[in-house]
Parts: sequence; C-alpha cells; structure tokens
Amino acid sequence: DGGITQSPKYLFRKEGQNVTLSCEQNLNHDAMYWYRQDPGQGLRLIYYSQIVNDFQKGDIAEGYSVSREKKESFPLTVTSAQKNPTAFYLCASSTPQGAYTGELFFGEGSRLTVL
Amino acid sequence: QKEVEQNSGPLSVPEGAIASLNCTYSDRGSQSFFWYRQYSGKSPELIMSIYSNGDKEDGRFTAQLNKASQYVSLLIRDSQPSDSATYLCALILTGGGNKLTFGTGTQLKVEL
Repeated sequence: DGGITQSPKYLFRKEGQNVTLSCEQNLNHDAMYWYRQDPGQGLRLIYYSQIVNDFQKGDIAEGYSVSREKKESFPLTVTSAQKNPTAFYLCASSTPQGAYTGELFFGEGSRLTVL
Repeated sequence: QKEVEQNSGPLSVPEGAIASLNCTYSDRGSQSFFWYRQYSGKSPELIMSIYSNGDKEDGRFTAQLNKASQYVSLLIRDSQPSDSATYLCALILTGGGNKLTFGTGTQLKVEL
C-alpha cells in the first residue's frame, strides 16, 4: 500500500539534545512538507521541498533543519536551538498539481515531548 | 490580523442537526480554499475544496465561499457522532505557490 510513514510515533528528549524525525513516502510524490501542530494553533509550516536536493524554509524554520537527498525521504532534525520543541509533527507529500488542489497526503504524525 | 481565522469552539450540535463552521481570511487575492477534518490524535484529511463563489455540495457536506466578504464556511447536514472532529480551514495565499496556510481549527462535537 502506498503512503507516508513517520517514525517514531512518540519521542521523548532531554533539553539540549538534537532529535531526527523520519518521513518516508512511496507515493512517488515530488513535494514534501513538515508541519508543526500545537494545541489551539492549527498547522504551521516548518520546511518544504519541491524536488530532490532542494528545500525552502516555511513560517517557523528556526531551530529546525531538513535534508532531501532522496525523493522518498525528508527527515526533520529538531535542534537544541528550538526553544519550545514539544509538539505534534506532521509530514505530508503531494504531486506538484496536488499541492494546488489541497491534496496533501499526511503521515500519522510524531509526538515529541521534551522533558 | 491572522491570515486565516476560525472560532476554536467547541461547537456542540445535536445529532441530526446542521453544523455550520466558519472561516475568515485576510488575503483578498486568495483563490483556493480547503476544508480538512482531523480526528483527535490523527492526521488531517481533505474533505472539501472550493475555488468559486457560491456553494459546492458533496454528500452531507456543503462548502460556501464569498470572496467579497472573505469568508468560507462548511455546512454538515444530518450531523452524526462520527463527525465529531476538528475542522481546519486552509487556503493558498497570493504568491504562496503550492503552500497551504491553515487556520487554528474548530472543534465540533455532535451529541446524541
């Protein structure tokens, strides 16, 4: 079955540690996105990539980093510079056309808690 | 002013009633609007898209768009307990390319 797989589903981190969230898709989608969701805040765009080896900052990129070395993979690193990293992180992908029609396919999410 | 504004709710409606969810936006040039449904702890899923003024119906769902007044609404007829979820309004900003901007969502509770 085609889809997006995010791992881990739950992650606990100590302050000052970097963590990497995995996002893999087998939908052959060119575009991939990372969103952050906090209670009562909706989804906010962290980074997005429209093609391999290229990515752009979203609205809240500070304290995060990404890479896009393969079409299927778009990992997100939450660095120690991110002041309030506890949140629900969602990865999504789309075709180039699908992005314009709102057809984003989301993974199940990763819930990060900083202790 | 936020780019997309929604009342966070919760909006409570009895089973079988019509639920009305509203969204206002600030970018007058936005052309593409979407409604996503998100169950608690789950990822969002697209349920409706609308691009032109007026109504668009899909089963029990009707999306309404009024660009002059800069609002989008979602009506859910014959509401069911399974409709209880958070509904996110999203749009593409002028010059936003293929990036969606989301509202904060409205929590809907359908009561038996």
